[in-house]
Amino acid sequence: ETGVTQTPRHLVMGMTNKKSLKCEQHLGHNAMYWYKQSAKKPLELMFVYSLEERVENNSVPSRFSPECPNSSHLFLHLHTLQPEDSALYLCASSQDDRGLGKTQYFGPGTRLLVL
Amino acid sequence: GQSLEQPSEVTAVEGAIVQINCTYQTSGFYGLSWYQQHDGGAPTFLSYNALDGLEETGRFSSFLSRSDSYGYLLLQELQMKDSASYFCALSSNTGKLIFGQGTTLQVKP
Repeated sequence: ETGVTQTPRHLVMGMTNKKSLKCEQHLGHNAMYWYKQSAKKPLELMFVYSLEERVENNSVPSRFSPECPNSSHLFLHLHTLQPEDSALYLCASSQDDRGLGKTQYFGPGTRLLVL
Repeated sequence: GQSLEQPSEVTAVEGAIVQINCTYQTSGFYGLSWYQQHDGGAPTFLSYNALDGLEETGRFSSFLSRSDSYGYLLLQELQMKDSASYFCALSSNTGKLIFGQGTTLQVKP
C-alpha cells in the first residue's frame, strides 16, 4: 500500500470519447505528478503540480488536460485521444522540498487502451 | 540537458550478486535515486544517494560517485522475486526527477 490510489485501473475508450483519470494521495504531500509509461520506454513526465499550481507541462498535447483541485487530488481529463496514447498512466506524489531528495510515491496506474 | 544511461537487460541466477550501473549527465545535481517496478505494477522507491559512497538497505545497496557521474545498484542474495525493472532517476536543480530507461533484471533458478 503506497498511499496513492488511482481509478480506474483499466480503461478502454474510443477516439471520440471523453474520460477522466483520478488520483488521490493520503500521504500529506504537496506535489503531484502525471507520468506516461509506454512499453519498453522510460517514464515520461507529463505534468507537475506543486502546492496546487501547475509548474511543469512537458509539451503534452492539449487532448490531455490536468486538474488539481486540492493537494490530495489530481485528475487527467482525456478527449479525442489517439491509439498511440495507449499506455500506463502513473500518478505520483512527493513532499516538494525544492529538489532535495524528491522521493516519489507512485500509484498503481491506469492501463489505457485507445481504440 | 539531462540524461541517464543504464543497461537494458541483466540476467543472473538465484543467490548471486548483480550490479546495475547508471551514468548520468546534468548541469545541476542533487541526488540519484533507484526505483523498482514489477511487471504490471507501480514503481517503488528503493534508495537515494546525495553524497558519494555506499548506502545499504538490507540486500540492496546503492553507490554514488559524483566526480564520475556514476552510480550503481547492488543486489545481493538474489531471489526470484527480484525479477523486475530497475530505474535510476536524477534529482536536479530543475526540481523534478528524470528517469533512465530502466534495466530489466531476470533472475533464473
